[in-house]
Amino acid sequence: ILNVEQSPQSLHVQEGDSTNFTCSFPSSNFYALHWYRWETAKSPEALFVMTLNGDEKKKGRISATLNTKEGYSYLYIKGSQPEDSATYLCAFKSGNTGKLIFGQGTTLQVKP
Amino acid sequence: EPEVTQTPSHQVTQMGQEVILRCVPISNHLYFYWYRQILGQKVEFLVSFYNNEISEKSEIFDDQFSVERPDGSNFTLKIRSTKLEDSAMYFCASSQQGTYTGELFFGEGSRLTVL
Repeated sequence: ILNVEQSPQSLHVQEGDSTNFTCSFPSSNFYALHWYRWETAKSPEALFVMTLNGDEKKKGRISATLNTKEGYSYLYIKGSQPEDSATYLCAFKSGNTGKLIFGQGTTLQVKP
Repeated sequence: EPEVTQTPSHQVTQMGQEVILRCVPISNHLYFYWYRQILGQKVEFLVSFYNNEISEKSEIFDDQFSVERPDGSNFTLKIRSTKLEDSAMYFCASSQQGTYTGELFFGEGSRLTVL
């Protein structure tokens, strides 16, 4: 059974702090790793789709790295703002299948 | 900006009743999905749909579930005889490309409560 784990489960930081969290996934038969940002009462919104080992992607203050050999991805938020408060989901695509396998998410609360 | 829309936002039904959840994906997208999240659990895949047929389904997607794209715009999920354990938030998603390179665009979800 393919399993995706995220840590920590939740995180509380002060405005201006930088933070990072981890997504662990199976290192075999890797195809892609997706990151989504999910605000309460809204739809999950894509941040990154990463496919290559060593990939680094950036969108504003948010960036992500990918290590497919050891099976992890880090998401970094630089200078957190209250509007960054959300649940961050990673999802793994394996092999010749279209389905995504999601982690349980990391819920970030940024206090002003 | 184009978005995926879902109706209803919340449905309460009695066990054994049929439920249809509706979705309007983004118009030029080719791949369509249903995922669900039972409270406190991970988001889980139900089914993917491409070229007017199911391309993949999970073990959860048994004979009680069906999907249709009846008119080229709507994408529906039907549960024939709901069970208590079907209570969950159901998300529709669409993408222009497959998940190897294509991000999913999600709707806001339909919360199903089975009593």
